[in-house]
Amino acid sequence: GAVVSQHPSRVICKSGTSVKIECRSLDFQATTMFWYRQFPKQSLMLMATSNEGSKATYEQGVEKDKFLINHASLTLSTLTVTSAHPEDSSFYICSAKSWSNYGYTFGSGTRLTVV
Amino acid sequence: DAKTTQPPSMDCAEGRAANLPCNHSTISGNEYVYWYRQIHSQGPQYIIHGLKNNETNEMASLIITEDRKSSTLILPHATLRDTAVYYCIVRVDMDSNYQLIWGAGTKLIIKP
Repeated sequence: GAVVSQHPSRVICKSGTSVKIECRSLDFQATTMFWYRQFPKQSLMLMATSNEGSKATYEQGVEKDKFLINHASLTLSTLTVTSAHPEDSSFYICSAKSWSNYGYTFGSGTRLTVV
Repeated sequence: DAKTTQPPSMDCAEGRAANLPCNHSTISGNEYVYWYRQIHSQGPQYIIHGLKNNETNEMASLIITEDRKSSTLILPHATLRDTAVYYCIVRVDMDSNYQLIWGAGTKLIIKP
């Protein structure tokens, strides 16, 4: 079935540094990828939608200059958290639209801790 | 804004059927209902989806009311590994991109 690989699974970084999270579709071409953020005991909140080869569409309240999304190929999308601060600590999850019947495959998530 | 409402938590005995309700009274005619589950600190796992008809697969059954304002996810024989947060989701069409609008989820605890 459709598999999405997300790396790293955990990352700890210092305040002010940048962190890149990768999301790869392993056995299908993902024309659209979605990035979510999830705070403890809360539901997933959509941050942005990225289409291959075009600029990402960000949800209201999400700073596009802080959360840089690149979807340069049909199998890879990256999310870069720039100048990270402790309030950016969260669980980040990507999802790709796939060929499969149900269409949305999720990565395993990245736990970001900013210290 | 969430288009679904779910009870925050439920218990179910191991081996029994778990019935998880969801209200989506503002759903539009072409919007699908999806169910995913999430085990702690993992990515969501697809369970099932449907539009109008009841659906069944190897994991679960989805019963959608005739007016489509509510649905029920049924896990026929719950096991301890089914303990997770279950999300009822509506898929909406946003400028030719379909988005999943997530509800708050139901924390299902399967008890031995």
